Amino acid sequence: GAVVSQHPSWVICKSGTSVKIECRSLDFQATTMFWYRQFPKQSLMLMATSNEGSKATYEQGVEKDKFLINHASLTLSTLTVTSAHPEDSSFYICSARDKRGAANTGELFFGEGSRLTVL
Amino acid sequence: GESVGLHLPTLSVQEGDNSIINCAYSNSASDYFIWYKQESGKGPQFIIDIRSNMDKRQGQRVTVLLNKTVKHLSLQIAATQPGDSAVYFCAESPLRRGQNFVFGPGTRLSVLP
Repeated sequence: GAVVSQHPSWVICKSGTSVKIECRSLDFQATTMFWYRQFPKQSLMLMATSNEGSKATYEQGVEKDKFLINHASLTLSTLTVTSAHPEDSSFYICSARDKRGAANTGELFFGEGSRLTVL
Repeated sequence: GESVGLHLPTLSVQEGDNSIINCAYSNSASDYFIWYKQESGKGPQFIIDIRSNMDKRQGQRVTVLLNKTVKHLSLQIAATQPGDSAVYFCAESPLRRGQNFVFGPGTRLSVLP
């Protein structure tokens, strides 16, 4: 199946620093990518929808100035956690849908996730 | 608000038995559902999907059942194996939100030897 790669898989940073997480679709083009956040023993919570060439759409309660999303190409979306604090520590997961798929249907391909630990 | 939820947060089954994981959803407008498996420290993996014009779909050792009348979704795993131990999420796609999916809280499946 299609592959979505995330990097880094684990990052530890000091409070106040910014961290960038990359999400790449390796063998398909993704018009839309999604960013999720998952706390331990909890479900995935959609943070934002990233559309290639346009501004991301953020879910209610997600600070767009804190979680910067850039979808510069059909194969790359980045999430930057700015001025990270310990409460931002979480598992961040991206997903993507092949642009050839029908809208609102079709399998989502997930990355392996990026674990952020803020000290 | 609308939500997708699961009846059982944990499920333990003997190796070789069949497993049934349940999911209730409340948005009657949802027309596409997916079951995902997530192993510890990894991203979700697609298991099987179903559209609202179907009530049953089978894959390899897995079957998804959809009951639109009571807004209930289930995942059946036949001859459960140790490798099936994971957290299972159902996800629905509400039409009005475009391509987004809403995930249920998850059920942890533990396979006992």
